[in-house]
Amino acid sequence: GAVVSQHPSRVICKSGTSVKIECRSLDFQATTMFWYRQFPKQSLMLMATSNEGSKATYEQGVEKDKFLINHASLTLSTLTVTSAHPEDSSFYICSAVLAGTGELFFGEGSRLTVL
Amino acid sequence: AQKVTQAQTEISVVEKEDVTLDCVYETRDTTYYLFWYKQPPSGELVFLIRRNSFDEQNEISGRYSWNFQKSTSSFNFTITASQVVDSAVYFCALSEDPWTQGGSEKLVFGKGTKLTVNP
Repeated sequence: GAVVSQHPSRVICKSGTSVKIECRSLDFQATTMFWYRQFPKQSLMLMATSNEGSKATYEQGVEKDKFLINHASLTLSTLTVTSAHPEDSSFYICSAVLAGTGELFFGEGSRLTVL
Repeated sequence: AQKVTQAQTEISVVEKEDVTLDCVYETRDTTYYLFWYKQPPSGELVFLIRRNSFDEQNEISGRYSWNFQKSTSSFNFTITASQVVDSAVYFCALSEDPWTQGGSEKLVFGKGTKLTVNP
């Protein structure tokens, strides 16, 4: 089946620094990817829709200047958490759409801890 | 707006018991997709099923079965003869039909049900 890989799987950073998380579709092209955030013991909430070659669409309440999304190629979307603070500590997980099928494939997730 | 409700926050059973996880959804769309995912402690989402709203047939896959009742907007998930390895958080999710105009594959998740299967 199609594989989506996220990197890094875990990251610890200091408050005020920026962190980049990558989401790659390894064996298929994905014109659309989604970024979700999951706080401990909570559900997954959609942050933004990432479309290759265009600006991301953010959900209400998600700061686009804080969570920068770049989808520069058909196999890679990146999420950069800028000036991270402890409240940004969360599990970030991406999904990619296999073009033409509507099927979704999730990455393994990236656990961010901001000290 | 779409909404998914999983009323059971936590369920605890003893191995070999059958267990049903409830899922009720709300949508104004005439076509949509329903999903179930398993999230073990390691965090990754494991896909279990995707069901189109037009397909109301119940589905069985090994020890797993799903009951889709459009009349009550429910998509319940049953594990037969539960095992310790079934312990995880299970999420029900809903999406628009991506093939309709303005549709998208983005998912709305329920809050999840934590299942603990004790030996």
